[in-house]
Amino acid sequence: QQQVKQSPQSLIVQKGGISIINCAYENTAFDYFPWYQQFPGKGPALLIAIRPDVSEKKEGRFTISFNKSAKQFSLHIMDSQPGDSATYFCAARGQTGANNLFFGTGTRLTVIP
Amino acid sequence: EADIYQTPRYLVIGTGKKITLECSQTMGHDKMYWYQQDPGMELHLIHYSYGVNSTEKGDLSSESTVSRIRTEHFPLTLESARPSHTSQYLCASSETGNYGYTFGSGTRLTVV
Repeated sequence: QQQVKQSPQSLIVQKGGISIINCAYENTAFDYFPWYQQFPGKGPALLIAIRPDVSEKKEGRFTISFNKSAKQFSLHIMDSQPGDSATYFCAARGQTGANNLFFGTGTRLTVIP
Repeated sequence: EADIYQTPRYLVIGTGKKITLECSQTMGHDKMYWYQQDPGMELHLIHYSYGVNSTEKGDLSSESTVSRIRTEHFPLTLESARPSHTSQYLCASSETGNYGYTFGSGTRLTVV
């Protein structure tokens, strides 16, 4: 059973545009929601993260919007650049076991010049 | 520089061979993880460790085994590789109290 659902699977955005990736979850016990960025041939790298007591977090051009009641969160990339072209994964942290992260299926973002 | 290293980066082996994927981290993190990643699919947790001599199976059933004899080292072993094991394997670590994971660059395994 997929714990975190991510969409879209792929996204093409014009340079300077806004990229939006959405994720949804069911488990209300999740307590931490990170986004990871992965370039080809590399492992995922932490991009930005949010806790459920905050509705928005912004770091530079990257913003997470969090809707606790809807159990949804999204990543917004403002002024998208070709260097942002990568695969983005949302994740959620469980509170059992090793507090493992459950990952979405990933979104392949392509920013065209 | 603190980091997490995986070797080999790429491996092509024949069916039935025994292989060990290496993972080492220099950050002193107590928790370590192995994820399996297929194209277009989420990362699936196959093993994790709280610390030395602690190993647990993850959510995805796997025929691999792991060991954690030293804090910095978390190797994954396949006793008899099969084509169904073809995938990318990612190792990660985290520190207790710190929710962020640090990932290695992965090992892309192909079993022919």
